[in-house]
Amino acid sequence: DVKVTQSSRYLVKRTGEKVFLECVQDMDHENMFWYRQDPGLGLRLIYFSYDVKMKEKGDIPEGYSVSREKKERFSLILESTSTNQTSMYLCASSFDGLGADTQYFGPGTRLTVL
Amino acid sequence: DAKTTQPPSMDCAEGRAANLPCNHSTISGNEYVYWYRQIHSQGPQYIIHGLKNNETNEMASLIITEDRKSSTLILPHATLRDTAVYYCIVRGGGSNYKLTFGKGTLLTVNP
Repeated sequence: DVKVTQSSRYLVKRTGEKVFLECVQDMDHENMFWYRQDPGLGLRLIYFSYDVKMKEKGDIPEGYSVSREKKERFSLILESTSTNQTSMYLCASSFDGLGADTQYFGPGTRLTVL
Repeated sequence: DAKTTQPPSMDCAEGRAANLPCNHSTISGNEYVYWYRQIHSQGPQYIIHGLKNNETNEMASLIITEDRKSSTLILPHATLRDTAVYYCIVRGGGSNYKLTFGKGTLLTVNP
């Protein structure tokens, strides 16, 4: 059974604090993704990684950085949080092959920045 | 990726089949049809995908019309836990980029 886990389900932080969100997948997938989901805006891609130490910016990378030191682990870092980063953060992973590439999601982290 | 159109909401009685339609008239030959669902405050859950042929797994069946311009997701015996927003997505094969979710269909399963 496929499994993507995220380090926290709920987080509350104050403006200016640093936040690490960690995602782990046990499917040996090459690709990993960080999205945020906001009402009325759908899913927006922040960063993705197609291999260890490789990363590409998505649509909204500003204010975020990522780290992928091991294949199974992809971290999202918010260096100095702001209230507009209050959101649901979703991690996903997929196999890098020909044909369909199904993305599997974690349970999400709901971050509130006060 | 081709655009999809889904009804905003549907109701279904518990134990009955839920048939969720999706139009994707601009789909191209190498694009797959994916279905995900999202239960409130949880991450999206993959359900099924297909290219041309009908597909079935332990969760659902996917019926794709011969011209591939529309499809139907069938939950054969809906339960209360199937209440969720269901997203139909069309995207090219082999892409490792983002998924784009539309507004989806809110399926409410009633007792």
